[in-house]
Amino acid sequence: QKEVEQDPGPLSVPEGAIVSLNCTYSNSAFQYFMWYRQYSRKGPELLMYTYSSGNKEDGRFTAQVDKSSKYISLFIRDSQPSDSATYLCAFPMIYNQGGKLIFGQGTELSVKP
Amino acid sequence: GAVVSQHPSWVICKSGTSVKIECRSLDFQATTMFWYRQFPKQSLMLMATSNEGSKATYEQGVEKDKFLINHASLTLSTLTVTSAHPEDSSFYICSARGTSSGGYEQYFGPGTRLTVT
Repeated sequence: QKEVEQDPGPLSVPEGAIVSLNCTYSNSAFQYFMWYRQYSRKGPELLMYTYSSGNKEDGRFTAQVDKSSKYISLFIRDSQPSDSATYLCAFPMIYNQGGKLIFGQGTELSVKP
Repeated sequence: GAVVSQHPSWVICKSGTSVKIECRSLDFQATTMFWYRQFPKQSLMLMATSNEGSKATYEQGVEKDKFLINHASLTLSTLTVTSAHPEDSSFYICSARGTSSGGYEQYFGPGTRLTVT
């Protein structure tokens, strides 16, 4: 079983749609949760960083964490063509690993005008 | 805040030469920085973890003598690709650990595209 599972997509939605991106994980040691957005040929950009179960909202983005189910989600409301990118969930290894990140495979999102 | 820069953004070099890539945290101090490489349509691959003032920790399969990492200050880490070959052509990205609660978030640079001819 992989440590992190993320649907690779590609996911195509019309402009204005609500997008749901999901990751499941198996490592109980994961205590912090991140979502990154990566445009082609650019470095990843941190979108959301959280460490507790529940929801965290930032503008059109909502991160949801369910530690009991080992499941995290990122919701994008009113999606825009500029949201077209690859989205990565990420989990830092905080015990004796220097905080290195374990990434999901990435979900490629395309928002059509 | 939390901006990381890389220089150069794009470099072409001849086979057998060495190339140095700089990674700077512009508005925060980073005791830990990371170096990744990424091939087209593939995920990020961690190469090494760099701690200020100490030797880098390399991931399994990454040649230490080929990819030299130096983290001489709290805002600068460098990656030198020695005796570069065409197979080293890739997108190299650095990141720096943040300083917020927990401090485990990483801020990435824009990347450096290396082409070895």
